[in-house]
Amino acid sequence: GQSLEQPSEVTAVEGAIVQINCTYQTSGFYGLSWYQQHDGGAPTFLSYNALDGLEETGRFSSFLSRSDSYGYLLLQELQMKDSASYFCAVREGGGNKLTFGTGTQLKVEL
Amino acid sequence: GAVVSQHPSWVICKSGTSVKIECRSLDFQATTMFWYRQFPKQSLMLMATSNEGSKATYEQGVEKDKFLINHASLTLSTLTVTSAHPEDSSFYICSARRASRANYGYTFGSGTRLTIV
Repeated sequence: GQSLEQPSEVTAVEGAIVQINCTYQTSGFYGLSWYQQHDGGAPTFLSYNALDGLEETGRFSSFLSRSDSYGYLLLQELQMKDSASYFCAVREGGGNKLTFGTGTQLKVEL
Repeated sequence: GAVVSQHPSWVICKSGTSVKIECRSLDFQATTMFWYRQFPKQSLMLMATSNEGSKATYEQGVEKDKFLINHASLTLSTLTVTSAHPEDSSFYICSARRASRANYGYTFGSGTRLTIV
């Protein structure tokens, strides 16, 4: 079966750095993506890793270790607007469908 | 680029009625679209993969006769919730992927908040 596990909640203060982990077990693997979703909104793409290592996009970075079936999203210089839910997702081959992780609710406090 | 428009954004219906949700790719052609359902404080659960010109592929446990999907053109997929009941109340989101983007490029609609009373 498919499973992508994330911590349910993370709290951090404005200006801090936070790491959101994702461990996955899927039948196919064509890359790990990260999405942000504010309450009532659509998921928006943040970052993608097809190969092992770190990808940096502004304040957001994402890491992947395929041998460990593990990845994380790193958010730097946290801002209040970063309070949202964050999902990792694995793209499977063939049908190209995305399977989403359990989601992490990030709360940024003053 | 890569805009997906979803309508309506919210709808309230009486139990027993059918509701149609539209998902359009505005600036690209999408041979495949995806329909998700999301309950409060939970993750996005894939319901089905909509394929242009052919039948949709449903995930295990999703009732094909209840959630009718039609993908008649390269820019439009519709999800019809038939004989809706309160337990069908949820947030429905569509997604499309640009055929030319190999690594990523999934764009999501703004979602439809469906409430059955």
